[in-house]
Amino acid sequence: TQLLEQSPQFLSIQEGENLTVYCNSSSVFSSLQWYRQEPGEGPVLLVTVVTGGEVKKLKRLTFQFGDARKDSSLHITAAQPGDTGLYLCAGAVRGYQKVTFGTGTKLQVIP
Amino acid sequence: EPEVTQTPSHQVTQMGQEVILRCVPISNHLYFYWYRQILGQKVEFLVSFYNNEISEKSEIFDDQFSVERPDGSNFTLKIRSTKLEDSAMYFCASSTQGLYSGANVLTFGAGSRLTVL
Repeated sequence: TQLLEQSPQFLSIQEGENLTVYCNSSSVFSSLQWYRQEPGEGPVLLVTVVTGGEVKKLKRLTFQFGDARKDSSLHITAAQPGDTGLYLCAGAVRGYQKVTFGTGTKLQVIP
Repeated sequence: EPEVTQTPSHQVTQMGQEVILRCVPISNHLYFYWYRQILGQKVEFLVSFYNNEISEKSEIFDDQFSVERPDGSNFTLKIRSTKLEDSAMYFCASSTQGLYSGANVLTFGAGSRLTVL
């Protein structure tokens, strides 16, 4: 069973601050995705990383996949109130037709 | 932009009743999934479906659950005899490729909230 632990669970910051969310596991993943979920809606895919050490940028968001493909981080620069939401990491393992979701990080950006 | 559509958005049922949750995946997608999220908990995998058969299922997906693609467009999740602990948000998702490819894009629906009384 692959488990993905995210930290922190909750994060409340002021607009303009930077933050990093971590996603850790003892398992190796073939790929790792980051999703954002708004209340009452389904998760929306932000990015997929597939190569150990890979870094992807999406405007103010930077995603990194660990060298050993067991962990990932999401860094947000100059957070805005529109970034508020639940951030979920999810891993896929070759040969398994599913993704396993992390425990989630609830982000609140205060104007 | 293509989307996954789920109905109903909210269903309230009595314990022991049968429930069918419906999903219309994106039209050119080949892989279909059901996930659930109990309030305040993480998103959990239930089942994946490809080529008219289940390709993978979790321990949660016991004999009370079944899935069907009855007409080439709908993808349904049936719970035969609902229990209180089945109360959750149920999400349908679809993708063009198998998840092992590493380049998958999973598109989720907005979810169906099931409340079992």
